[in-house]
Amino acid sequence: QSVLTQPPSVSGAPGQRVTISCGGISSSIGAGYDVHWYQQLPGAAPKLLIYLTNTRPSGVPDRFSGSKSGTSASLVIAGLQAEDEGYYYCQSSDIRLSAPCVFGTGTKVTVL
Amino acid sequence: QVQLQESGPGLVKPSQTLSLTCNVSGGSIRSGSYYWSWIRQPAGKDLEWIGRIYSSGSTKYNPSLNSRVIISIDTSKNQFSLRLTSVTAADTAVYYCARLVVGPSPYFDYWGQGALVTVSS
Repeated sequence: QSVLTQPPSVSGAPGQRVTISCGGISSSIGAGYDVHWYQQLPGAAPKLLIYLTNTRPSGVPDRFSGSKSGTSASLVIAGLQAEDEGYYYCQSSDIRLSAPCVFGTGTKVTVL
Repeated sequence: QVQLQESGPGLVKPSQTLSLTCNVSGGSIRSGSYYWSWIRQPAGKDLEWIGRIYSSGSTKYNPSLNSRVIISIDTSKNQFSLRLTSVTAADTAVYYCARLVVGPSPYFDYWGQGALVTVSS
């Protein structure tokens, strides 16, 4: 049972802006931990998309951005493209579970 | 460019021990800036962190798997390994090894391609 809750799916037309939420609790995101995001394309391993809440690794397009407020975080894809279709997972830590790594429930992004 | 590659049996019988090795290339497993970790993903389900090890051999495991997991490291071979005992069908999953960046909020910057392990008699 994940402590980070994401919507099961989001969709949008090419060029649209979509937002994926990552709801945490006081012992995870609310405790001040950063949030990280991973993109998992069909048949592939997860790939780091955003780290430390709002930093993009080299090579990740700037249409991906992250933010955090209170006990939740968000990933925004501005200008959705067909190659963005896949699953997206948030990840943080949880002091209550004594777990340095907890993942969100995952969100399927569909490009209409 | 760091690369990680999982290897091990793809089929394990129930009650036996699952064993996987992750070979790291393009960087030293002795680096003090990283942990080395295992994550799994059952088909169609979410990612689950299994545990991590530091170059010193210090480990931390997911509390839900703690009693069945052993992660070890061989710095001379630049590889680390996973052993999961007393497996059941619920342990069938794709197992990923990954590099975990040390810090107050650690994150995975490099992943292996994954190894499918099926538990079945």
